[in-house]
Amino acid sequence: DAKTTQPTSMDCAEGRAANLPCNHSTISGNEYVYWYRQIHSQGPQYIIHGLKNNETNEMASLIITEDRKSSTLILPHATLRDTAVYYCIVRVNLATGANNLFFGTGTRLTVIP
Amino acid sequence: GAGVSQSPSNKVTEKGKDVELRCDPISGHTALYWYRQSLGQGLEFLIYFQGNSAPDKSGLPSDRFSAERTGGSVSTLTIQRTQQEDSAVYLCASSQWTGRLVYEQYFGPGTRLTVT
Repeated sequence: DAKTTQPTSMDCAEGRAANLPCNHSTISGNEYVYWYRQIHSQGPQYIIHGLKNNETNEMASLIITEDRKSSTLILPHATLRDTAVYYCIVRVNLATGANNLFFGTGTRLTVIP
Repeated sequence: GAGVSQSPSNKVTEKGKDVELRCDPISGHTALYWYRQSLGQGLEFLIYFQGNSAPDKSGLPSDRFSAERTGGSVSTLTIQRTQQEDSAVYLCASSQWTGRLVYEQYFGPGTRLTVT
């Protein structure tokens, strides 16, 4: 699976948009971009994923650059409950075999009142 | 609906003792994963179960670690002769699996294991 690079930490004011970047310059054509987050003392939580096109769901938006070498997770109106470590993961989706996730150290997002 | 549950939530054991950690996946999810997370670290994959297929044990760190999944549902992770370096949060995740699409993984709250 391709390696990802994320900033170690970020702050965001409550109510503002949080934009979390991720670089994955070695991503291959069949690898998806996934985002998970982990709130303190909880298990990781799926947020969103995409391949080429931008995606949006009730939690966030995912913007993937045209060359797919980087992406940005956008939380449109950050709340205090969004304080967590956010993990960007790229991997293929295999029809067989383990689709285990490799979590790096992620970005620690702190939403400030 | 009910999510992934794990028990116990916390376990303190003495070095050299055996421990069993339990995972109840979401009903209908045929794929089940075990990971562990050491303090301040990312997730480390341990083992994967899919239906009746042989499990993928490629992430198990030593032969002291084993896991089974009975009846395609509940899974138990066993660590024999625990060592202090086994101290971590052990996370279980489950997902749907159709063989064509791969779905997101849902994680349990984890079991915090402390080996003294």
